[in-house]
Amino acid sequence: DVVLTQTPPTLSATIGQSVSISCRSSQSLLHSNGNTYLNWLLQRPGQPPQLLIYLVSRLESGVPNRFSGSGSGTDFTLKISGVEAEDLGVYYCVQSTHAPYTFGAGTKLELK
Amino acid sequence: EVQLVESGGGLVQPGRSLKLSCAASGFTFSNYYMAWVRQAPKKGLEWVATISTSGSRTYYPDSVKGRFTISRDNAKSSLYLQMNSLKSEDTATYYCARLTMDAWGQGASVTVSS
Repeated sequence: DVVLTQTPPTLSATIGQSVSISCRSSQSLLHSNGNTYLNWLLQRPGQPPQLLIYLVSRLESGVPNRFSGSGSGTDFTLKISGVEAEDLGVYYCVQSTHAPYTFGAGTKLELK
Repeated sequence: EVQLVESGGGLVQPGRSLKLSCAASGFTFSNYYMAWVRQAPKKGLEWVATISTSGSRTYYPDSVKGRFTISRDNAKSSLYLQMNSLKSEDTATYYCARLTMDAWGQGASVTVSS
């Protein structure tokens, strides 16, 4: 199974600070069809996950553009340019290139 | 508005069965692959089952293969998860989701305990 390693496990930030989360895959997530199926989700406390980024860098409709995704192959990054209070929660990367689909362990974003 | 509403959760003894349902609305259900994802208390997310648009193709991870069955009724815009031979480690919140991950239900809580 593909293992996604997220770092850091916990991130402390002040409002307005820019932060990045890394997601590294145990194998390339480039599909034979040319797409890379790496998404980023945010789970706020007591809520279901919410899609932020799909296909590495595409912003889901309604998601603020302070969120951005980048990367290729096995190395991916989610960046938040100017953290806001509503961004607090746990961020997960998830791959759907290889079955079984797998999630990273999550990165908890807290207020410093 | 896209909505997914799970039902059927509860407390069940080890070895028994439980069936979850998910009612979909606000989109053409039959056009989407669907999935169940679970989250054990204070833990991360785990794919439990996926199903194709027609229901002809399903996929399960080893952790539930042979015990869980995903199914769908496109006429009723409903998704199901039949869970048999339940174990304590199946205790979790179970989310119904579109496989595109752009829509999730609020979750159904399942507790397996004697």
